[in-house]
Amino acid sequence: DAKTTQPTSMDCAEGRAANLPCNHSTISGNEYVYWYRQIHSQGPQYIIHGLKNNETNEMASLIITEDRKSSTLILPHATLRDTAVYYCIVSYYGGSQGNLIFGKGTKLSVKP
Amino acid sequence: GAGVSQTPSNKVTEKGKYVELRCDPISGHTALYWYRQSLGQGPEFLIYFQGTGAADDSGLPNDRFFAVRPEGSVSTLKIQRTERGDSAVYLCASSLTVAGGTEAFFGQGTRLTVV
Repeated sequence: DAKTTQPTSMDCAEGRAANLPCNHSTISGNEYVYWYRQIHSQGPQYIIHGLKNNETNEMASLIITEDRKSSTLILPHATLRDTAVYYCIVSYYGGSQGNLIFGKGTKLSVKP
Repeated sequence: GAGVSQTPSNKVTEKGKYVELRCDPISGHTALYWYRQSLGQGPEFLIYFQGTGAADDSGLPNDRFFAVRPEGSVSTLKIQRTERGDSAVYLCASSLTVAGGTEAFFGQGTRLTVV
């Protein structure tokens, strides 16, 4: 089972920041937080990941709370093309475990 | 190639038939994953390979499903005696390693329809 809890759906106005929350209260010390998104009829696309520190790349920012029990993905200026299902995943790569367990994600609708 | 390639993109087969789905990972990626996705659901893990060996096949639903990666590159997912419930999009992904913090790249999937 997925170790994360996300809202089922969210709306965001085009040009505004989209803030997608994720709870992962059972995360262990060696597990990363990953975010992927899936645009209709396409394979999932990697967005960003982090362990403890906040991270930023050209797509998004990831804010992880100090206790690591929750995180927020921020799309700073959402566009219509950001409409997708966003998945928050906690996972540890290494040893015999190397898979990403997807939940149902958050369906983000960016509206004009 | 530039990304993960899956063939065919669509496959329609009759109940009871055997099918093979192919995945070409990104060159140099040692880890390869298979998922399947039913309508309205997130991808469901099936199996992953580290090199030629299956490191975790705990997601395979039953013994009708089998996957190989004989040379550590291309992988084939094989489904015997297909059932209508096997209809789904089958996704393949690859990553450079299985070290922590490695991103996985997904293909566009093969849509399997069992009639």
